[in-house]
Formats: sequence, C-alpha cells, structure tokens
Amino acid sequence: AQSVTQPDIHITVSEGASLELRCNYSYGATPYLFWYVQSPGQGLQLLLKYFSGDTLVQGIKGFEAEFKRSQSSFNLRKPSVHWSDAAEYFCAVAGKGISNFGNEKLTFGTGTRLTIIP
Amino acid sequence: NAGVTQTPKFQVLKTGQSMTLQCAQDMNHEYMSWYRQDPGMGLRLIHYSVGAGITDQGEVPNGYNVSRSTTEDFPLRLLSAAPSQTSVYFCASSYGVAGNQETQYFGPGTRLLVL
Repeated sequence: AQSVTQPDIHITVSEGASLELRCNYSYGATPYLFWYVQSPGQGLQLLLKYFSGDTLVQGIKGFEAEFKRSQSSFNLRKPSVHWSDAAEYFCAVAGKGISNFGNEKLTFGTGTRLTIIP
Repeated sequence: NAGVTQTPKFQVLKTGQSMTLQCAQDMNHEYMSWYRQDPGMGLRLIHYSVGAGITDQGEVPNGYNVSRSTTEDFPLRLLSAAPSQTSVYFCASSYGVAGNQETQYFGPGTRLLVL
C-alpha cells in the first residue's frame, strides 16, 4: 500500500521569502503524485501533478515541484511567497484500485500548514 | 456549472442516528469519491466510484455505505452514527480516474458533529 509523509506540520515564512514544503512517498511502482492546497473553510484545489517525463513540474500560482525518485520525494517550491499563500498544503500519491485503469485511490499526507508573516 | 455540491453544510447527530450526506456534480464525471478530514490526519478515502453501479472501499470504509445509481449523485450513508465519525466530509469528482492524469474537483465539505 502507498503512503505519504509530510514531515513539517507547520512552517512560517516571511512574505517575499522562498518556500519549500517536503513530501516523501512510498509506492512500489512509478508514482503519480499531486500537491493540493486548502484555504481555511474551503475544499481542496489542485496545484500540480506529476505522472512522467520532466521531473520538474510547474503548477498554478507560481508553484513548482521536483520529483526525485532516488529520494522518494516530491517537494513543493515557490521562489517568493505572497500573503495569500497562507493555507494548508497536502501531498498525495495515487494507488491502484478496482478499475482496469488503476490509480483510483489517492492517499494524502497529513498536511503542512503555512503561515506568512509580513 | 455548479461543480461539486454537498448538502448539508453542517449537521449535528446523536449517537445511533442515521443520515445521508448528499453529493452531486453536473460535470458528467465518472469518478466520484468521499473523504473525511480530521485534525492531524489529512484526508482519508472512505469510498469511491468509477461509474454508475461500481463502487469500492477506500482506506476507512467501516460505518459508511455508498451506492451510485446515477452519474450525477454519490450519497454517503451513516447507518448508526458514532462520535468517532465527527469529522469534515469532502466529496470529489473527476472526468476519469482521479489518479490517472485527471484533475479531481472537491466540494465545499460537510461538517458533521456526533454527540
């Protein structure tokens, strides 16, 4: 079974500073990886996803993530954070279920809460 | 499009009561799923469906039932509510299988309190 670890429960950064959120996964095959963001009281929004190809993927709102197979990591980065980036961030990996296509089951990490200070 | 809608927004139940959380989408998505979100535990998959009439269990299915009679609707039933089911419940949908290069769209959530 797949699993995801987000080792940082809470991170605080200054507005304009760079950001890196860590994500480590465990999965037996080539992983399909996702980053989602959740603003307070809201549902989740997809930031970016990795399936194959270029290991550096670009997402919305200026975020990017790098897939490193050797380290089983998929860290999220942003060069300069804005106050509006304050939210909770979730990494997820897709695993096989019952359909012929597989990858129906998403397993989420426990999340990293990001606080931005002026 | 209304996207993914969930009703009710908030519900209080007594232990042993039953209820159904409603989820609907108007995007003709085949894949739908239910998650629960608890503090410090992220989102955990309860049940999912890959099309009308086809459902499967996720990570935490005990105490919950689902069925999928139409493409649009995917209700989640609590047969006998327990305090451990106090949580925020999210429904999500995608055109194809969620993990296969398809973006999953989340509803706004239902907050459930079981006393």
